[in-house]
Amino acid sequence: AQTIHQWPVAEIKAVGSPLSLGCTIKGKSSPNLYWYWQATGGTLQQLFYSITVGQVESVVQLNLSASRPKDDQFILSTEKLLLSHSGFYLCAWSLETGGSQNTLYFGAGTRLSVL
Amino acid sequence: GDSVTQTEGLVTLTEGLPVMLNCTYQSTYSPFLFWYVQHLNEAPKLLLKSFTDNKRPEHQGFHATLHKSSSSFHLQKSSAQLSDSALYYCALSEQGTGSKLSFGKGAKLTVSP
Repeated sequence: AQTIHQWPVAEIKAVGSPLSLGCTIKGKSSPNLYWYWQATGGTLQQLFYSITVGQVESVVQLNLSASRPKDDQFILSTEKLLLSHSGFYLCAWSLETGGSQNTLYFGAGTRLSVL
Repeated sequence: GDSVTQTEGLVTLTEGLPVMLNCTYQSTYSPFLFWYVQHLNEAPKLLLKSFTDNKRPEHQGFHATLHKSSSSFHLQKSSAQLSDSALYYCALSEQGTGSKLSFGKGAKLTVSP
């Protein structure tokens, strides 16, 4: 069975400080990987997606970057946090094919508070 | 481009009454529609997804029918339960665009006794 693990569970960070969030998927080779962001009370906003190692596409910048250093790992980061970065960050995976197979399976998420 | 418009904001129901959350979409290509549910402090989970052969998906008493003529995929349940209280998101994926899933703004359903 596939498992998706996100870390950390929660973070409290200062404005201007760096950030690194991680996500690991086990039990599935070459998944599509995604980062989503959810502001408090807001909808799910896709930030990045990756279909293979080393390739990441940006959907919305938000002064964040993402990398996929391994097939099963997806990293979200920034060198300088903004207050607007606060929210709930969700990593997700899906099968390689699109359309009806594009069911997303979400990790438990990281709750970020920027002060 | 593709987009999803759904019932949004707060929806309050009394237990036992029917649930209806609307979802309409705009799509250039063959669309697939999804309903995701997010309970408090949890990650979103798939509730239903549309089929290509017009079957009506059902799960946990919820069902939705894809109507291409009206571009809709409304979520329904005959009798609301307290445990149905959650955020509900309609989402759209288009054939051949495996990387893109567009979410609606979400509806917060609260079921009271």
